[in-house]
Amino acid sequence: AQRVTQPEKLLSVFKGAPVELKCNYSYSGSPELFWYVQYSRQRLQLLLRHISRESIKGFTADLNKGETSFHLKKPFAQEEDSAMYYCALRVTGGGNKLTFGTGTQLKVEL
Amino acid sequence: ETGVTQSPTHLIKTRGQQVTLRCSSQSGHNTVSWYQQALGQGPQFIFQYYREEENGRGNFPPRFSGLQFPNYSSELNVNALELDDSALYLCASSFGGSALGETQYFGPGTRLLVL
Repeated sequence: AQRVTQPEKLLSVFKGAPVELKCNYSYSGSPELFWYVQYSRQRLQLLLRHISRESIKGFTADLNKGETSFHLKKPFAQEEDSAMYYCALRVTGGGNKLTFGTGTQLKVEL
Repeated sequence: ETGVTQSPTHLIKTRGQQVTLRCSSQSGHNTVSWYQQALGQGPQFIFQYYREEENGRGNFPPRFSGLQFPNYSSELNVNALELDDSALYLCASSFGGSALGETQYFGPGTRLLVL
């Protein structure tokens, strides 16, 4: 069965510092990876997915199949980036089922 | 475009009771997925409905059941409630069933407390 691991429950950085939220997965096939974000008092929403290869709000994530990782990065953190971030995986032929990690709370301090 | 809505927002039940949670999918979407999010955990897939039929199920017992209606809205029913069923229940809608690449849009959730 597939699994997503986010090793950090909380990540605290200063404004302007680089951010890296870690995500590792276990799955023998070719998964589709996503990052979802939940801002305070808002619903869970898609931030980005690896097949799009795009940068959203300055965030990027590269799928590394060798290391089975999909870390989320941003070169300069902003206060509005403070939120809960979830890494999720969808498997080929698995319908639209998402398997989520436990999430990392990002806190950007001034 | 109307987003995903869920009702009620909060609910308190006692152990052994039954509960029904409701979800209205986003306009144009024909697929609804349900997730359970326990405190401090990520969402966990319960099941998915596509065009009124179950289209995948997670590791949840049969007392978790669902329905999808012709207008693609959906219900999640939980029988014989247990204390561990206390969680945030999220509904997500998308278009296309099992089609890869379809983004799921989440509702605000229903918070269930079982006493």
